[in-house]
Amino acid sequence: AQSVSQHNHHVILSEAASLELGCNYSYGGTVNLFWYVQYPGQHLQLLLKYFSGDPLVKGIKGFEAEFIKSKFSFNLRKPSVQWSDTAEYFCAVNGNQAGTALIFGKGTTLSVSS
Amino acid sequence: DTGVSQDPRHKITKRGQNVTFRCDPISEHNRLYWYRQTLGQGPEFLTYFQNEAQLEKSRLLSDRFSAERPKGSFSTLEIQRTEQGDSAMYLCASSLIRDEQFFGPGTRLTVL
Repeated sequence: AQSVSQHNHHVILSEAASLELGCNYSYGGTVNLFWYVQYPGQHLQLLLKYFSGDPLVKGIKGFEAEFIKSKFSFNLRKPSVQWSDTAEYFCAVNGNQAGTALIFGKGTTLSVSS
Repeated sequence: DTGVSQDPRHKITKRGQNVTFRCDPISEHNRLYWYRQTLGQGPEFLTYFQNEAQLEKSRLLSDRFSAERPKGSFSTLEIQRTEQGDSAMYLCASSLIRDEQFFGPGTRLTVL
């Protein structure tokens, strides 16, 4: 069965620290990969996406993610977090025809202290 | 605001009652999705439409759930004979074919 695993349930960082959130997926085919973010009181927003091409993807607000096919991973990174990055982060995957159902991980809550 | 909208934002109901939620997608989007999210979990897929056709339904979508998109624009999700286990956030998303999904703010359902 298709699944997405996010390794960290809750991450606590100080401002300016570097961030890496793990995401591994299990899917038997070509995948499209996404990171969504949910800020407190707001709805899910897309941070970045990978469909094909360069496996290093840059998104909004200084986030990036690297698709490593051999490891079935799509980890999210940011070199220096800000207090405003406090949010819940979800990794998601769907099949080789984007538009089919997204399978989400359970999410990682990031708390950044100033 | 031209994003995905959902109505109502909150619904409290008694067990056994029927409820209906509405989703208005981004106007040019062909695909519309429904997801359910409970505390501590990521969204779980329920069903999706391409235009007015319902193309896929999850096993999570029991017989008490029905969704429609009659003219290929807005969609409704109805839950009949609600149970306490139906309490969740119901999310709607829309997309163009082969593109990212844009999410609405959700409808939070509480079944007493």
